[in-house]
Amino acid sequence: QKEVEQNSGPLSVPEGAIASLNCTYSDRGSQSFFWYRQYSGKSPELIMFIYSNGDKEDGRFTAQLNKASQYVSLLIRDSQPSDSATYLCAVMGTTDSWGKFQFGAGTQVVVTP
Amino acid sequence: DGGITQSPKYLFRKEGQNVTLSCEQNLNHDAMYWYRQDPGQGLRLIYYSQIVNDFQKGDIAEGYSVSREKKESFPLTVTSAQKNPTAFYLCASSRGETGYGYTFGSGTRLTVV
Repeated sequence: QKEVEQNSGPLSVPEGAIASLNCTYSDRGSQSFFWYRQYSGKSPELIMFIYSNGDKEDGRFTAQLNKASQYVSLLIRDSQPSDSATYLCAVMGTTDSWGKFQFGAGTQVVVTP
Repeated sequence: DGGITQSPKYLFRKEGQNVTLSCEQNLNHDAMYWYRQDPGQGLRLIYYSQIVNDFQKGDIAEGYSVSREKKESFPLTVTSAQKNPTAFYLCASSRGETGYGYTFGSGTRLTVV
């Protein structure tokens, strides 16, 4: 059974600090990794994706991928109250067909002023 | 602007009743998906379709049915066989390649009354 695991939180982060979110996956052959942000009662929105080992930066967000250890992380720098949301990790494995992802349950982030 | 439209936003179902959730996209995406989200759980795949007139079961297809008669439309019917249908339903689409992730609709919240 393929699984994507995330700490449910809540992760409490002071405003201006770095929020660090982790995601582990069980399918060693997984290829594509996405992070979505979901505000309460709303649908998920794509933040970033990463395919290769290492870091990928986009504004205040950095995704980190380590395929050997089977984890992907998301760093949010200079956290703002508007970053308070649930962050979903999505993974596509080798046996998943064409764009079909496995999602983690999400980590709730609360940025405190 | 291109996007995905789900309707209705809220839906109430009586016991033994079938209801249909609408999903329409004007993104010219080939692939469309239906997910179910329950509190504290990740998104679970109900059905997906890669091309018109073809669709496959996801992880929790029992009690649901779909059709894909047009590229733009992928309606989901929640049948009376689905014993616990209360959930947040999300429709998504993608180009199909791995690189772009999903675009989600705004969701339909279904409640059994």
